Amino acid sequence: KAGVTQTPRYLIKTRGQQVTLSCSPISGHRSVSWYQQTPGQGLQFLFEYFSETQRNKGNFPGRFSGRQFSNSRSEMNVSTLELGDSALYLCASSEGLAGGKVDEQFFGPGTRLTVL
Amino acid sequence: DAKTTQPPSMDCAEGRAANLPCNHSTISGNEYVYWYRQIHSQGPQYIIHGLKNNETNEMASLIITEDRKSSTLILPHATLRDTAVYYCITEKDSSYKLIFGSGTRLLVRP
Repeated sequence: KAGVTQTPRYLIKTRGQQVTLSCSPISGHRSVSWYQQTPGQGLQFLFEYFSETQRNKGNFPGRFSGRQFSNSRSEMNVSTLELGDSALYLCASSEGLAGGKVDEQFFGPGTRLTVL
Repeated sequence: DAKTTQPPSMDCAEGRAANLPCNHSTISGNEYVYWYRQIHSQGPQYIIHGLKNNETNEMASLIITEDRKSSTLILPHATLRDTAVYYCITEKDSSYKLIFGSGTRLLVRP
C-alpha cells in the first residue's frame, strides 16, 4: 500500500496570503488528522475529519480550516497568513474505527510552510 | 496540555538496550499508552501501544507498571537508525486527537 502523501512538500508565502495544503490518505483509510509542528510549540493537533465531517478540533483560530472529500482526500486552508504560521504541517490517516479498537495513525512526510 | 512526562534526552550505545521511561500518573482507566517516534525531518511513526499488560512487537517492548502510572519503552538492540524523538501519549482507543508532549530525544552512539 502506498503511504500518506502530502503536497506540496515545501511552500513559501508572504503575510496576508492564503494557502491550501493537500493530503491523500492510505487507501481504505477514512480518517484524516492534521497537526502543526513548530520548534516552540511542538506537535499540536489541528483537526480530524471522518467521512467528510469534522469530528475533532484543536485550539486554533478560525483562519485554519479543512475539508475532506468523498474519496477521503483532505485539504487544509490557512487564510491571512501570519509569520507565526511558519511550520511543518503533518497529516495522518487511520481507519477511523469506532471505539473498542486502537487505531494506529500513519503520518505523511509533511508540508513545510514558510511565511515571509 | 500533554498528560505525560518524559526526560528531555537520553543516549545509549549501539547494540545495547534503550529504556525510555514515561510518567502518566493521571491516566484514566480507559486510556491506552501509545508510543510514537519522529526521526529527523519525517512524520511521526507508530511504535506500540498497551492498556494494562506488557506488549511486544517487532520494533519494541512496552512495560506498564501495575498501577499504570508509568511505563517504559524498550528498544532491545538499538541501532543508529533509532536516533529520534520518542513520544509517549495516553489516549482513549477511539480518540483521533493525539496530544504530543516534548518527548525524549534519544541519541544512539556508535
